[in-house]
Amino acid sequence: DAGVTQSPTHLIKTRGQQVTLRCSPKSGHDTVSWYQQALGQGPQFIFQYYEEEERQRGNFPDRFSGHQFPNYSSELNVNALLLGDSALYLCASKSGFSTDTQYFGPGTRLTVL
Amino acid sequence: AQKITQTQPGMFVQEKEAVTLDCTYDTSDQSYGLFWYKQPSSGEMIFLIYQGSYDEQNATEGRYSLNFQKARKSANLVISASQLGDSAMYFCAMRGYGGATNKLIFGTGTLLAVQP
Repeated sequence: DAGVTQSPTHLIKTRGQQVTLRCSPKSGHDTVSWYQQALGQGPQFIFQYYEEEERQRGNFPDRFSGHQFPNYSSELNVNALLLGDSALYLCASKSGFSTDTQYFGPGTRLTVL
Repeated sequence: AQKITQTQPGMFVQEKEAVTLDCTYDTSDQSYGLFWYKQPSSGEMIFLIYQGSYDEQNATEGRYSLNFQKARKSANLVISASQLGDSAMYFCAMRGYGGATNKLIFGTGTLLAVQP
């Protein structure tokens, strides 16, 4: 039973560039959330996708956007990268919009120079 | 606003001993869920245990148990018989507002070091 997978593992970008991170949910899961975890902090919720729509959004600017595909996989896009966007980006999935437990992937570590 | 507080930045425990990691929460919701996750140095957040606000029994999962005291708004994690592999960052989290929303709100974490 494959867990949540994310790609790439690590990424280095420069300020102003754009980046796309990818996530495949755990088998049987249809809801995907994205979190940003800065160094030494707990994860912060970015947004959640269910049925290919953004259902809830955290306090992040419009530079952060996403997409969910028919196979439930998801992308996180960040435009006009800032140094402060350097963080571990975690994807979490669960089965059904109203269930509780979310399972996380290994994350993508983004470094912005 | 909802908030999770973890007041222990770091903890030491001897191998085979039990350890309690503290978590307090603040919410005005009647229905909510509380979670504990483990984050090794590799970065992946590993789900450990879940407690629903209406569950009368404290949750247990193997060596993990959640000491849920609703009136005190605390949800402490107890790890029995600590192992070297338990060394990691531990996060307490709460499901956000309402039953249909699923945002997890995390604390700042506790770094646990298990000593041989």
